[in-house]
Order: sequence, then structure tokens, then C-alpha cells
Amino acid sequence: DIQMTQSPSTLSASVGDRVTITCRASQTIGDFLAWYQQKPGKAPKLLIYQASRLEDGVPSRFSGSGSGTEFTLTISGLQSDDFATYSCQQYKSFSTFGGGTKVEIK
Amino acid sequence: QSTLQESGPALVRPTQTLTLTCTFSGFSLTHIQTGMGVGWVRQPPGKALEWLALIYWNNDQHYTPSLKNRLHITKDSTKQQVVLTLTDMDALDTGTYYCVRRARTGHSYSYFIAWGPGTLVTVSS
Repeated sequence: DIQMTQSPSTLSASVGDRVTITCRASQTIGDFLAWYQQKPGKAPKLLIYQASRLEDGVPSRFSGSGSGTEFTLTISGLQSDDFATYSCQQYKSFSTFGGGTKVEIK
Repeated sequence: QSTLQESGPALVRPTQTLTLTCTFSGFSLTHIQTGMGVGWVRQPPGKALEWLALIYWNNDQHYTPSLKNRLHITKDSTKQQVVLTLTDMDALDTGTYYCVRRARTGHSYSYFIAWGPGTLVTVSS
């Protein structure tokens, strides 16, 4: 099984900050990686797929990078609507999610 | 636009079998749309997401290895429904269960482009 490890688990930030979340795979997954945003009581929402491709309608302040085993999600200029939990997902072999990163208000 | 809606019991007793139904619209789970797939993801309270199972337009089924012996997924394309059963329920199975639609890619597995709102299932005696 491919394990996904996210860091940090919690991140405190202010509006306008640049935020970076990391996801590491236990084995190489190429670019078969997606990022989701989830707000309390709601279903996850797809932000990025294929490691760096922005889903339609997602603001350009979100970006993804990486390949192989290390990936990052960057939010450039954090907005109040961005305070949420972010999860990565590998889909190279079956599907596995990371543990999530909660972005909270500093 | 794809929409999915989960339905099923909110409370299940330990050792019972959970049956959840996903009713979808906006797409077809038949040969008309090859590559299409509908599956399930769950999330225990305050914990990470966990993919459970997926069924494809051609009736291929994939399961997460750790729960393979307890899971079964079927589809009724005419009713536009996908049904998941999970046997021998335990308190650790408590959580929100989401129905998801995979993106149509050339790869066997994919990311999830649409999600239902989720249904909370509690396992308790």
C-alpha cells in the first residue's frame, strides 16, 4: 500500500500569507496526485489534479508542484475563505489520502 | 453537471451489515461513457479520508485492500444507483460516508471530481 504523509498537521496563518503544505508518498507515484479543500461539515472539493493542474473555477492563488514522492500545495495570498483542511490523494495505485492539514487563523 | 446523493441508515448495530445507496445524475455509468466510475470514501470524525471502493462503467470493481473481505459494490445503471455494503460493522466504522465520481482518465485509478454531501453513519448498540 502507498502511504501519504502530510505536514504540518496544523498551520496557523494570517490573511495575505503565503502558505505551503507538503505531502510525501511512501513510494514513487509520478504525478498521480490531487489536492482537496474541505470545510467543516462539507464534502471535500477538488483543487488540483495531476500534481499541478488547477481544477476549473479554482482561484489561481492555489498552485501545486512536485513529482515522484514529494509534493507541495501553495496558497499565495491566503484569503479568509481559504481557512479549511487540505488533503492530498495519490491515485497511482488504488487511492490513498494524506492525514490532512488544517489551516487556521493565526 | 454531476450530482450524487447518499442514502442509508444513520445508526447501525455492531456486527450488522451497512447498506448505502448513491443516487447520481448528470452522467451515465454505462458503455455510453467509458471510463466513468462511482465509488465511496469515508471519514471518521476528526480523521482522514479513506477510499473504500469503486465500480466502473464496465462493472469492474476495486476495493481498498484492508477492507476487501467486508466490502461489496454494485451498480444499477437503469436506476442510476450504486450500492455499497460493509459487513460486520464495528464502532471503528463510524463516520461520514461520501459517494464520489472519478474523473475519466486513461489511468486505472483517478481523482474524484464530484462528491455527494455525505451521510453520517454511527455504529452503536
